[in-house]
Amino acid sequence: QKEVEQDPGPLSVPEGAIVSLNCTYSNSAFQYFMWYRQYSRKGPELLMYTYSSGNKEDGRFTAQVDKSSKYISLFIRDSQPSDSATYLCAMMDTGRRALTFGSGTRLQVQP
Amino acid sequence: DGGITQSPKYLFRKEGQNVTLSCEQNLNHDAMYWYRQDPGQGLRLIYYSQIVNDFQKGDIAEGYSVSREKKESFPLTVTSAQKNPTAFYLCASSVAAGVRNNEQFFGPGTRLTVL
Repeated sequence: QKEVEQDPGPLSVPEGAIVSLNCTYSNSAFQYFMWYRQYSRKGPELLMYTYSSGNKEDGRFTAQVDKSSKYISLFIRDSQPSDSATYLCAMMDTGRRALTFGSGTRLQVQP
Repeated sequence: DGGITQSPKYLFRKEGQNVTLSCEQNLNHDAMYWYRQDPGQGLRLIYYSQIVNDFQKGDIAEGYSVSREKKESFPLTVTSAQKNPTAFYLCASSVAAGVRNNEQFFGPGTRLTVL
């Protein structure tokens, strides 16, 4: 079983829809949670960064962490065609000095 | 412009050859990382370095080697011992590799193809 599970998609939504992207994990030591967006053939870019449980909002993006359920989410409001990309979740525990990534969810926002 | 540069963007290699991928950052970050990405898979850690002249193996280090002689540079050598080297290679850096300041920023990647 992978430490971090993420549905690969593709997830196709109409423009303006609310998108929900999710990851589950098994390592209870994970404390730091990140979401990256990756356009085709490009490097990932950091979207959101949260520590421990709770919500964080940045513009149209909201990240949620539920450590009791080992479940994290990224919500995108008013989705745009430019949001079409692969979204990767990533996590870090306090003992290991590098990130563990999910496999990514491909999102397509139809105009 | 501050950022991370990787070169070349595309690299072709014959079987049995070693190749070196370049990664440079001018962000003054202490920590640097190399990841490999295969189609439909997440990023897997090859090596990372927390400080100059120090580096640690990641999850898939076999067949790879690195050096960290300068803070801004972390080249990756893909050796002939790496059985399946065709992949997209990503370099990243962060302020530190500790429990804080560990947001990682990525370069544009190098796509390596073995012919």
